[in-house]
Amino acid sequence: GQQLNQSPQSMFIQEGEDVSMNCTSSSIFNTWLWYKQDPGEGPVLLIALYKAGELTSNGRLTAQFGITRKDSFLNISASIPSDVGIYFCAGQPTGTYKYIFGTGTRLKVLA
Amino acid sequence: DAGVIQSPRHEVTEMGQEVTLRCKPISGHNSLFWYRQTMMRGLELLIYFNNNVPIDDSGMPEDRFSAKMPNASFSTLKIQPSEPRDSAVYFCASSPGLAGNTDTQYFGPGTRLTVL
Repeated sequence: GQQLNQSPQSMFIQEGEDVSMNCTSSSIFNTWLWYKQDPGEGPVLLIALYKAGELTSNGRLTAQFGITRKDSFLNISASIPSDVGIYFCAGQPTGTYKYIFGTGTRLKVLA
Repeated sequence: DAGVIQSPRHEVTEMGQEVTLRCKPISGHNSLFWYRQTMMRGLELLIYFNNNVPIDDSGMPEDRFSAKMPNASFSTLKIQPSEPRDSAVYFCASSPGLAGNTDTQYFGPGTRLTVL
C-alpha cells in the first residue's frame, strides 16, 4: 500500500543527544500522528497534530505539522536509553478516514 | 483504562488451517481497524469498521481473509485456509471518531502469526 517517505531509516545516537526525524508526502494531510513501537508491542501514540503549523510537545518530544501540510517533524531532546524503538509517522489525507503510515525510523541509543 | 485487547498474542499454525484473531476495542470507540505489519510492506490497513459496519475492506488481500464485528466490543479476523505468506503481526486499532473523521487511532499489542 501507499507509504510516506520517512527519514532517516535508522540512527545510532549517544545518550543525551537530540534526535530529529521527518515524514514527507506528495499529498496534503489533515492530521499527523507520531507513534513509537517497542519490540513485540503495538504502536503507542506519542503526539497528534491537527492544524498546519501546529507545534506540540509531550515531555522531551516535540512534533510539528508542516506549513505545506505535506510534512511533519519529530524531535526528541536529551535522548535516554528507553527512547530505543521504531518511530512511525501517520498521515490522514484530506477527505479520507484512512491513515497512511511511514516506513519507520529505528532509533538506537548508545549509553 | 483498558486499551485495545487482542488475543492470542502469538499463534503458530500449519498451512491450510483456519486462524481466528480476536479484538476488543476501547469502550466507547466507534471505529475499528485491522492492520497487518511485515518488514517488507510495513503497516497495511486491511479493513475498517464504523459502528460495527464494514466500511472499507479493500485492503483485505484475498477471499481467504474475512472480518466480522458482531457488536461494539468484539471483532474477529479470520484466515481460512492460512498460507505461509500470511505470517505477520496483525494489529487491531480503535478510534473514537465517526465515519469520515476518524481522529486518533489506538493500537492493541498485536497477534504474531506464524504459518508453517
